[in-house]
Amino acid sequence: NAGVMQNPRHLVRRRGQEARLRCSPMKGHSHVYWYRQLPEEGLKFMVYLQKENIIDESGMPKERFSAEFPKEGPSILRIQQVVRGDSAAYFCASSPNQNTGELFFGEGSRLTVL
Amino acid sequence: AQSVTQLGSHVSVSEGALVLLRCNYSSSVPPYLFWYVQYPNQGLQLLLKYTSAATLVKGINGFEAEFKKSETSFHLTKPSAHMSDAAEYFCAVSPLGGGADGLTFGKGTHLIIQP
Repeated sequence: NAGVMQNPRHLVRRRGQEARLRCSPMKGHSHVYWYRQLPEEGLKFMVYLQKENIIDESGMPKERFSAEFPKEGPSILRIQQVVRGDSAAYFCASSPNQNTGELFFGEGSRLTVL
Repeated sequence: AQSVTQLGSHVSVSEGALVLLRCNYSSSVPPYLFWYVQYPNQGLQLLLKYTSAATLVKGINGFEAEFKKSETSFHLTKPSAHMSDAAEYFCAVSPLGGGADGLTFGKGTHLIIQP
């Protein structure tokens, strides 16, 4: 049973370009969460999605960031017109339902903006 | 609303010594509590979790944590540190029954093991 799969593991973009990060949850998991980790900081919640629905995006910056979890395919976190401050590790986590609280994490996507 | 405070961004212990990583939480409702470990350039792995059953929780790799409601604490311990324990450790809280925003994490404690 494969775990949470994220790709790419490393992504380099120049300022102004777009970054797309993908996450395939564990089999049987319908809840997906995205977190951002900056150096020397913990993980900050960004967005919580279920299939075709954004449940909570209270942690997402208002501009340039968007997320989706389509009926088919992986969840995607999209960052438009990247800036140097977007450089971070982005982690995806999944759970089978909302009630256990336990999340299963991918290995992260590390974005570097030049 | 909930929050987590991890005391000490870096903790250094000698190999074979006791490991104690501190975590205090704040939650307006009974919480679920978690400890995760992160090795360099990897994702987070669950060490153990408290979900309102036994207050002393045993996890993987010899770690355990005790939920103390009166102290709002959930400190992580291991009797004897091993070099392979060197990693970043995160305490996290979720409201009982899960929360819409998943887990709230502390800032992490970097555990250093001295030979």
